[in-house]
Amino acid sequence: EVQLLESGGGLVLPGGSLRLSCATSGFPFSTNDMAWVRQAPGKGLEWVSAIGGRTGSTYYADSVKGRFTISRDTSKNTLYLQMNSLRAEDTAVYYCAKPHIDYYIDYWGQGTLVTVSS
Amino acid sequence: DIVMTQFPDSLAVSLGERATINCKSSQSILYNSNNKNYLAWYQHKPGQPPKLLIYWASTRESGVPERFSGSGSATDFTLTIDSLQAEDVAVYYCQQYYSTRYSFGQGTKLEIK
Repeated sequence: EVQLLESGGGLVLPGGSLRLSCATSGFPFSTNDMAWVRQAPGKGLEWVSAIGGRTGSTYYADSVKGRFTISRDTSKNTLYLQMNSLRAEDTAVYYCAKPHIDYYIDYWGQGTLVTVSS
Repeated sequence: DIVMTQFPDSLAVSLGERATINCKSSQSILYNSNNKNYLAWYQHKPGQPPKLLIYWASTRESGVPERFSGSGSATDFTLTIDSLQAEDVAVYYCQQYYSTRYSFGQGTKLEIK
């Protein structure tokens, strides 16, 4: 059974940093693409970042490029999102997402809430 | 980047009637080498993660009721829900996976009339 469990969300001051984690199980994490998707309060889904399973190549939305870093630890089957220089507009529920081998997202975590506020 | 636009933004349909949600991509998401449209539909209810309904524009995910169907090609797509049930109240999103830089439509809120 595929499981994705996010952690690390919380309240942070503008300009601060936070690292999200996504512990995974039930599929070959080391070769699977992975992604982060967020939903700001009252807004729609927004793709944030992705990492290629076999290549390790990373991709970012323009809104987070240069501030967020996606990474993974294959020994721990865990995906990360390092978020620096946080802004109020980064406030959202952040979902860890597992794309199918054919690229559509077939599994989602429950989400972790990040609140950027003074 | 590929921009996905849904319409309408919200929709109210009577129980048992049909709901139709449209999605348009800013460029074709039909991959010619395999003739597949790289489009998915998700259902999102408050407090839950999104749920995959449809992929390849028209393939229903396992376990999804047959009243959900997808159609369209290249840049224009439709999600149809036949015989609307109360549990179908949700926000529905289309998403392209043609580009590694995924993008979602803005969402369509479906309510009961």
